[in-house]
Amino acid sequence: GALVYQYPRRTICKSGTSMRMECQAVGFQATSVAWYRQSPQKTFELIALSTVNSAIKYEQNFTQEKFPISHPNLSFSSMTVLNAYLEDRGLYLCGASGGYAEQFFGPGTRLTVL
Amino acid sequence: QQQVRQSPQSLTVWEGETAILNCSYENSAFDYFPWYQQFPGEGPALLISILSVSDKKEDGRFTIFFNKREKKLSLHIADSQPGDSATYFCAPHRAGGYKVVFGSGTRLLVSP
Repeated sequence: GALVYQYPRRTICKSGTSMRMECQAVGFQATSVAWYRQSPQKTFELIALSTVNSAIKYEQNFTQEKFPISHPNLSFSSMTVLNAYLEDRGLYLCGASGGYAEQFFGPGTRLTVL
Repeated sequence: QQQVRQSPQSLTVWEGETAILNCSYENSAFDYFPWYQQFPGEGPALLISILSVSDKKEDGRFTIFFNKREKKLSLHIADSQPGDSATYFCAPHRAGGYKVVFGSGTRLLVSP
């Protein structure tokens, strides 16, 4: 079956530092990977969408300078939260798709900023 | 612009009742409509989904009713169980497209 793993599951960082999170697709080829953030008491906001052989597209209010993403192959993606502050806390979700209707989600990386 | 709306924001039902969760959308290009279930501290998991060519999809106690003309759909959870207590997200997108738009979610509480 298709699975998506994310690690770490939880992380804590000091304000102003950076934190890298990873996403791995197993059982299918992740031709696209989307990163989302769920802030406390909110729904999931799309940060950026990475599709193989295309440039990574960031949504409004999110930038490559703040959330650089790497998608080097069809099974792996990583995203870094640079210079994290309190408003960056939340659950970061990776959604991977193999080109069919369904997008598979990982369990998320929960970021706490002190 | 809020493309996907869900109602109610929260819902409490008794065990054994049918819970009805609503979703409406604006983008006519959406043709794949998954519902995700999220428990506290976890990521969302696909519960049931429907393509726009259908108006009903059943899977056990879970049923989606879809009205393409009105751009509305609903998730019915029959014989609700306390274990169904979770937040449910409607997350439509274009089948084969990659940009999923999440609704604001409905928090369901099933009381024993």
